[in-house]
Amino acid sequence: DTEVTQTPKHLVMGMTNKKSLKCEQHMGHRAMYWYKQKAKKPPELMFVYSYEKLSINESVPSRFSPECPNSSLLNLHLHALQPEDSALYLCASSRAGDEDTQYFGPGTRLTVL
Amino acid sequence: RKEVEQDPGPFNVPEGATVAFNCTYSNSASQSFFWYRQDCRKEPKLLMSVYSSGNEDGRFTAQLNRASQYISLLIRDSKLSDSATYLCVVPTGTASKLTFGTGTRLQVTL
Repeated sequence: DTEVTQTPKHLVMGMTNKKSLKCEQHMGHRAMYWYKQKAKKPPELMFVYSYEKLSINESVPSRFSPECPNSSLLNLHLHALQPEDSALYLCASSRAGDEDTQYFGPGTRLTVL
Repeated sequence: RKEVEQDPGPFNVPEGATVAFNCTYSNSASQSFFWYRQDCRKEPKLLMSVYSSGNEDGRFTAQLNRASQYISLLIRDSKLSDSATYLCVVPTGTASKLTFGTGTRLQVTL
């Protein structure tokens, strides 16, 4: 199993809604990541979890709140988002000791109205 | 120099052609390099890793030139299915942080 899965595939939410994105991997990877990608741009790193602890927060606004309940799961809780937050949100994971080789999930396409 | 810079593209090539993309990087201490392909509205998929002078996988060859700080990706016998954006990725040296190039768009036509 070399797969990272993400749900939902698509999400439309209003600026007052609270929603969550989910990511799961069963490859035994101990690092997991959230990226944001706007159209025609490369992915931008948001958060890194290493061994279930937040190790990197790239100065992401607090309306994005990550959570790592266990080594296989990664959530991104969304609250009071802005229309400019509409993007493809990608989850990735990597093996311990080989953090540079990252495997991406299919992403959640988020639209904020 | 930008941290990672790629040919802007788009590259429009006929099926069967050989095409090459270049990527330059600024961090001379970088030890590993990656090419990802990304189809429209899909996730990046790891295509090749490069740790030494180069790597070959079927029709795809990646070359590394450390002296000039560039990596190239050569695609031989292009297929329609090779149409995608190719992202050059270089680790920053800070654990887990990657720098992505802006990507090169390839369109293979009949």
